[in-house]
Amino acid sequence: GQQVMQIPQYQHVQEGEDFTTYCNSSTTLSNIQWYKQRPGGHPVFLIQLVKSGEVKKQKRLTFQFGEAKKNSSLHITATQTTDVGTYFCAAILTGGGNKLTFGTGTQLKVEL
Amino acid sequence: DGGITQSPKYLFRKEGQNVTLSCEQNLNHDAMYWYRQDPGQGLRLIYYSQIVNDFQKGDIAEGYSVSREKKESFPLTVTSAQKNPTAFYLCASSISTGYGYTFGSGTRLTVV
Repeated sequence: GQQVMQIPQYQHVQEGEDFTTYCNSSTTLSNIQWYKQRPGGHPVFLIQLVKSGEVKKQKRLTFQFGEAKKNSSLHITATQTTDVGTYFCAAILTGGGNKLTFGTGTQLKVEL
Repeated sequence: DGGITQSPKYLFRKEGQNVTLSCEQNLNHDAMYWYRQDPGQGLRLIYYSQIVNDFQKGDIAEGYSVSREKKESFPLTVTSAQKNPTAFYLCASSISTGYGYTFGSGTRLTVV
């Protein structure tokens, strides 16, 4: 069935290094959302991308939607310990009804 | 402040007992959702409701039931038919489909 695949599953970085997580779908997506879940916490909505090739920035976070609207990425510049958590992408899949399908998530650990 | 309240935060039940998880929102959102998250895993959709008195099954509805008698409330019952009920349960709401979700802080259910 249709899925939203996310890579990598885990990423350990030194504080100050950059981090990127990728989200891929086999079908065209109408939009894509990104969430962050801190350890022991609940997912928090970060952003939604709608347009082909769209790029949005939130401080050190850069979100990008692919030209074909089948993939997306989240890039964090100069990671900090506050960036620790799991980052999920989510999208409404074609024929999936009006509900979000979440990616498998990328768990980020930042070491001092 | 507006938000979603899930209670209790931790819940312990004996095997074979039904248990109902509470989810209340004061955001005036039409859509509400229940997700299950297992350790190190992504979010899997159990049930969702786009309007009062209507709800649909998600990807893993077996062993669960819901009701949506009021706009602000979407309780989830974990029945004895659910084979592996121990998990972290997250309730979410959104203004409508295609918008970001607001999550509650979750209920950690342990069945012994």
